[in-house]
Amino acid sequence: GENVEQHPSTLSVQEGDSAVIKCTYSDSASNYFPWYKQELGKRPQLIIDIRSNVGEKKDQRIAVTLNKTAKHFSLHITETQPEDSAVYFCAASKENNDMRFGAGTRLTVKP
Amino acid sequence: DVKVTQSSRYLVKRTGEKVFLECVQDMDHENMFWYRQDPGLGLRLIYFSYDVKMKEKGDIPEGYSVSREKKERFSLILESASTNQTSMYLCASSFLYEQYFGPGTRLTVT
Repeated sequence: GENVEQHPSTLSVQEGDSAVIKCTYSDSASNYFPWYKQELGKRPQLIIDIRSNVGEKKDQRIAVTLNKTAKHFSLHITETQPEDSAVYFCAASKENNDMRFGAGTRLTVKP
Repeated sequence: DVKVTQSSRYLVKRTGEKVFLECVQDMDHENMFWYRQDPGLGLRLIYFSYDVKMKEKGDIPEGYSVSREKKERFSLILESASTNQTSMYLCASSFLYEQYFGPGTRLTVT
């Protein structure tokens, strides 16, 4: 089955710096790659996603890149703000919505 | 706006008890999922369902079972709770790809 690995497990940046979180997946049939943000005590919520026919997608300060050949994808957050502090999860899914998540990255943005 | 609710936010049970965790979604979604969330391990898939009365095992189904008698409701059952099942349990539903999560149930088994 699909195996998703996520790095780093913790990340601390200064406000205004960029943050990058990387994930790899094992199943070449996976074609949907979402990123979820989970604030303390809250449920995970989708922040951005990318499909396998696209190499990059951007939404304001966040962007995701996908390299299907290497089977890895990354989340980029620019101009980080304290409210970006949360746990971020990557995931990979096939057509049948059989989704697998990475172990999560705890991002801390220091003011 | 999709709403996914779970029957309890916090639950304390004793070892050996039968435990029911219920999840209800109001968007007529076909797909529903149960995950457990543990520090450093992320979200691990226990069971999922694509339709009423249908279920598929995820990565860690041992010690759990599920029931989906109605489209909007997906129940997770711990037949005989054990201390290693102490965890946060998250339910999710989806129509296509995006999964919508419930608020979670923090289960403690003593």
